[in-house]
Amino acid sequence: DTAVSQTPKYLVTQMGNDKSIKCEQNLGHDTMYWYKQDSKKFLKIMFSYNNKELIINETVPNRFSPKSPDKAHLNLHINSLELGDSAVYFCASSRGTGATEAFFGQGTRLTVV
Amino acid sequence: AQSVTQPDIHITVSEGASLELRCNYSYGATPYLFWYVQSPGQGLQLLLKYFSGDTLVQGIKGFEAEFKRSQSSFNLRKPSVHWSDAAEYFCAVGAENTNAGKSTFGDGTTLTVKP
Repeated sequence: DTAVSQTPKYLVTQMGNDKSIKCEQNLGHDTMYWYKQDSKKFLKIMFSYNNKELIINETVPNRFSPKSPDKAHLNLHINSLELGDSAVYFCASSRGTGATEAFFGQGTRLTVV
Repeated sequence: AQSVTQPDIHITVSEGASLELRCNYSYGATPYLFWYVQSPGQGLQLLLKYFSGDTLVQGIKGFEAEFKRSQSSFNLRKPSVHWSDAAEYFCAVGAENTNAGKSTFGDGTTLTVKP
């Protein structure tokens, strides 16, 4: 009965590869997010989707492409991975665009070697 | 622009001792304030939030926080810390009817609990 689930939990890959992280929420929320947490634990918003539409797109390289097939899913695809992409990526959701609190998944630790 | 400062990068307390984690914010209107906890290897979990009303808010796991507008602070407290409280704590500020993605997080405070 996990609320926000991400897969995989750990991902180790070589530079230049393309990888995807999947996220699903069963809370019935309309809005989903991707956050990046770097090695110093700084947390930054990357993207936000509301009902499958992109509403927040922070300054993120276009190698990162979110995809939302439906409002319960928000996947993150990363092309041409670089060493600096190594981080923990969190998916989150909230009731709507006006809901200020977010519910987070357990994170995906991405290591690029 | 809104901002959040958590002055203490790392705090160590003994089990059973009281705890206070500091959070200062900058926001032009009435802020929405949050404390999240991140246990090792886990995602962030909301401890408590303040939108309006009583300035002392109670949260989960025995935590409370007090909103002080005059000091632009929202400090988190717990009277008696348990070893399981060792974690990273994030303060965040947002605004009414604003997407959670627009909330600004502090840089976090790492709490270590000594036996």
